[in-house]
This record gives sequence, structure tokens and C-alpha cells, in this order.
Amino acid sequence: DAMVIQNPRYQVTQFGKPVTLSCSQTLNHNVMYWYQQKSSQAPKLLFHYYDKDFNNEADTPDNFQSRRPNTSFCFLDIRSPGLGDAAMYLCAITTGGANYGYTFGSGTRLTVV
Amino acid sequence: SQQGEEDPQALSIQEGENATMNCSYKTSINNLQWYRQNSGRGLVHLILIRSNEREKHSGRLRVTLDTSKKSSSLLITASRAADTASYFCATDKGGGNKLTFGTGTQLKVEL
Repeated sequence: DAMVIQNPRYQVTQFGKPVTLSCSQTLNHNVMYWYQQKSSQAPKLLFHYYDKDFNNEADTPDNFQSRRPNTSFCFLDIRSPGLGDAAMYLCAITTGGANYGYTFGSGTRLTVV
Repeated sequence: SQQGEEDPQALSIQEGENATMNCSYKTSINNLQWYRQNSGRGLVHLILIRSNEREKHSGRLRVTLDTSKKSSSLLITASRAADTASYFCATDKGGGNKLTFGTGTQLKVEL
């Protein structure tokens, strides 16, 4: 059974039109992450939550926002998508303890037209 | 710049052969992890090696870590066509469980 579920798998949005990607988890893990992965590149951390504490990476554009209304759900909001925001967006969880791997969702492939 | 750099960028082998991928990083770490990514999918955690460990095995996987050289290698023995994927190393510097990923190696295992 999938433990990290991302919806939708594929999302097409118009240039400048706000879009929300969602992630849910069934394990009640404390920490949730959003990564952006452009074609043939390494995943890049956008931000993460430790419980309700939001941690933004210094180079994450203001265009990207996030919400975590409860332990199970986390949302990525892109306020005004540009062509350069087309990418795979990956959600991951971990327990927050030291020396534990991440569990990733299958990702959402975002296309901006 | 990215924490991890991997080589080779791409590797093509025959089924049954061994595949070796290397990862180098720049700063001290708490642990180093390896992930597999099938095309268009999320990443799957393969193995984690702590900074005080030198070698670790999991099934057909063998990982080594040399903290003095800031490098790690992943060996997949007796490869199978199903091992075709991209492989990423990722480092955890501690103090927040944030992983920084390397550039990845694309492995193709041919029948």
C-alpha cells in the first residue's frame, strides 16, 4: 500500500495560473518535504515541515508556498507558475530521527503551457 | 552548488555484470544514502550508511564510504534488466534531516 500519496500524477496549468499540488501520508511521520526535480537533474529541496514548523530553503522563490493543515497532508502552492517551474515535484516523509531514509511519493509532473 | 557529484553520468552494462557508481561530496556528513528512481517516478530508498561505517551490504547492493576522501560507491552485483534506473546519492549533514542529492547515474542493464 502506498504510504506517501501525491495527487495528481500529472498536472497541466496555464502560465500565471495558481496551482496546488497535494501530498498525503499514512504513517504519521513528523517531517514532510517538498523537492523540485527538473529534467535530468538532482532533486532540489524547496522546504520542509517538522510538525507544524515550516522551514524554507534560502533560495526557494517566493512564488512557492506550502501549507500543512494536519500531520497527514501537505500542499504545495505555486502562485504564478512560469515556464521554468515545469518539473517533477516530489513529496517525502521521514520520522525525524537521525539516520532514517526518506519515503517518497510517486511525484506530480507539472507542465506549464 | 550541489553537495554530491556522481560518476559516471551514464552506465550501460549487460545483464549479469556488476555495476559500480561513485559519489563525491564536499562537507562533513552524518550519513549518506542511495536512492533509485525509475523513469518518471519517485525515489526509492536503497541503503543508508552512517559516517562511522565503512561498508554496508543489502542483498545485491554493497556500499562503501570513505569519509577521508569524502566519497562513496554503490556496487550492484549480478545486475538485472529491472535494475535499469537512475541512482542518486544523498547526504545528510545532520541537524534537520535535510538531504542534498547528487547529480545521479543513469544505469541501463541490457539483456
